[in-house]
Amino acid sequence: GEDVEQSLFLSVREGDSSVINCTYTDSSSTYLYWYKQEPGAGLQLLTYIFSNMDMKQDQRLTVLLNKKDKHLSLRIADTQTGDSAIYFCAESEGAAGNKLTFGGGTRVLVKP
Amino acid sequence: ETGVTQTPRHLVMGMTNKKSLKCEQHLGHNAMYWYKQSAKKPLELMFVYSLEERVENNSVPSRFSPECPNSSHLFLHLHTLQPEDSALYLCASSQRKQGRAEKLFFGSGTQLSVL
Repeated sequence: GEDVEQSLFLSVREGDSSVINCTYTDSSSTYLYWYKQEPGAGLQLLTYIFSNMDMKQDQRLTVLLNKKDKHLSLRIADTQTGDSAIYFCAESEGAAGNKLTFGGGTRVLVKP
Repeated sequence: ETGVTQTPRHLVMGMTNKKSLKCEQHLGHNAMYWYKQSAKKPLELMFVYSLEERVENNSVPSRFSPECPNSSHLFLHLHTLQPEDSALYLCASSQRKQGRAEKLFFGSGTQLSVL
């Protein structure tokens, strides 16, 4: 079945860039997503990328997709303390009912 | 405010109790979901209601029973739960369209503790 893997933890200094990595196994993935979960809250969709793209930029967020290696990354520029959260990578196959498969999440801690 | 409201925020129940979790979405979406978030497991899809069709994860025990009376409301009825069912239960909704991105909007969750 599908599998989505992420590293557990990332520590970064305020003002630096953060890079969160994700690997997936389903070669038929159509869309890949990044969600953010702050303490005591549900998940919030940050951005997503269609599988025929290799990059998408949205303000401080840059998503890179290497489809050959099945590797997805999220870069956060000028990381702020409000960026401290758990970040989830997810993938879906549009033709198969849009079921999402989530990774285990990367906890990002931003130090002042 | 995501447009998806869950109640209660916290619930403590004994193993012999019966309780229900409630979810309401104000986004006009056509699909609603229950997810389970445990401390050491990836987010687990439990149930999907889409266009009056129910899809479930076959590994979900029968002590969890969903109900979707209309496209805006979703319930999760709980009975004779086990301590390992303690988790954060998240409701989500989306506007499903075949072949399009699955953009989920989540509620804040119900933190359930089973004693």
